[in-house]
Amino acid sequence: AQSVTQLDSHVSVSEGTPVLLRCNYSSSYSPSLFWYVQHPNKGLQLLLKYTSAATLVKGINGFEAEFKKSETSFHLTKPSAHMSDAAEYFCVVLGNSGNTGKLIFGQGTTLQVKP
Amino acid sequence: EAGVAQSPRYKIIEKRQSVAFWCNPISGHATLYWYQQILGQGPKLLIQFQNNGVVDDSQLPKDRFSAERLKGVDSTLKIQPAKLEDSAVYLCASAGWREETQYFGPGTRLLVL
Repeated sequence: AQSVTQLDSHVSVSEGTPVLLRCNYSSSYSPSLFWYVQHPNKGLQLLLKYTSAATLVKGINGFEAEFKKSETSFHLTKPSAHMSDAAEYFCVVLGNSGNTGKLIFGQGTTLQVKP
Repeated sequence: EAGVAQSPRYKIIEKRQSVAFWCNPISGHATLYWYQQILGQGPKLLIQFQNNGVVDDSQLPKDRFSAERLKGVDSTLKIQPAKLEDSAVYLCASAGWREETQYFGPGTRLLVL
């Protein structure tokens, strides 16, 4: 069965410093992986997705993630944090092989950005 | 392009009452999902529709939850009777035919007292 584990429940950074949100996955086949962001009282927004093309995936708002099969990781990074990045971030794996299927979410990482 | 619409945004009910949530997916999207997000957790799939047919409802508590998508467009999720542990945000998402990316609505926040 597919699953994801987000290694930090809470990450705090200063504005202008790098962001690293860690995610490990478990999958019996080549997974489709996503990062979603959820701002307070707003819906989930897709940041980026990996679907077995390039291992370094660039997303919106300067975020990127690298798929490392040997480490079963899909960590999310950003070179310089902005106050508006404060939100809940979810690492997600597609539950079924092939096309549409359920998304399996990690527990989430709360990103705090300090001025 | 209009996004996924959900209503109401907030609902407060007492336990044992009934409640219904409505979702209108992105136009043309064949697949519709309902997720439950309990505070402090990631969303969990309740039910997946492909057009008006159910693809996966294995995690839906069928003794109290029901959902329908009669015309393959909008959908209704009902809870009857509600329990305290049903307090959560109910998220609707949709995806195009054979598309992996799901687009989420703003959610309905339910509080059961």
